[in-house]
Amino acid sequence: DTGVSQNPRHKITKRGQNVTFRCDPISEHNRLYWYRQTLGQGPEFLTYFQNEAQLEKSRLLSDRFSAERPKGSFSTLEIQRTEQGDSAMYLCASSQLETGTYEQYFGPGTRLTVT
Amino acid sequence: DAKTTQPPSMDCAEGRAANLPCNHSTISGNEYVYWYRQIHSQGPQYIIHGLKNNETNEMASLIITEDRKSSTLILPHATLRDTAVYYCIVRAFYNQGGKLIFGQGTELSVKP
Repeated sequence: DTGVSQNPRHKITKRGQNVTFRCDPISEHNRLYWYRQTLGQGPEFLTYFQNEAQLEKSRLLSDRFSAERPKGSFSTLEIQRTEQGDSAMYLCASSQLETGTYEQYFGPGTRLTVT
Repeated sequence: DAKTTQPPSMDCAEGRAANLPCNHSTISGNEYVYWYRQIHSQGPQYIIHGLKNNETNEMASLIITEDRKSSTLILPHATLRDTAVYYCIVRAFYNQGGKLIFGQGTELSVKP
């Protein structure tokens, strides 16, 4: 257990429905990252926050995806109008810049299946 | 960030050293080499990172060649729990707080 939690762990939804995932980072960590991983591939970066500011978004993050970190603590990732191609593991990670280490601590992920 | 090349898979006998190579021939002077691993059904886990000197921690050792074009992650006494996908990642110093760019990694199977 890295201290990063994600909920739910599994989500099955029908195509066209909206889904929201939550990530709770390690409490003192100011950076929070979202990645997506499909079967047999390495994780792909989606977006990251420093405190509540979203600093970078990947081109993978289409306009159906939105991420928030309203108070600089937990974050949510929402996918609107889900498509079968959205089926993947969604991973959250956090890090703390000020300690001078840059390792990212990953949560267990949320596995999304779109039917 | 520089591109990396790793073998897709490797086997190692339990108790022996596992040596995982990574080629990063286009690495530049301000880029660090990071290693993460991902055990099945878990999120990636940080292992070690280095710039040009060899590094060692409680998990592994990282050997970087003098020209920095390649590196080797060494697990000195591999156990069955070390079976995982190992990712070698190169990151610029100024991007150390930013995203990780994962490749395909090396799938290490530790066998009894």
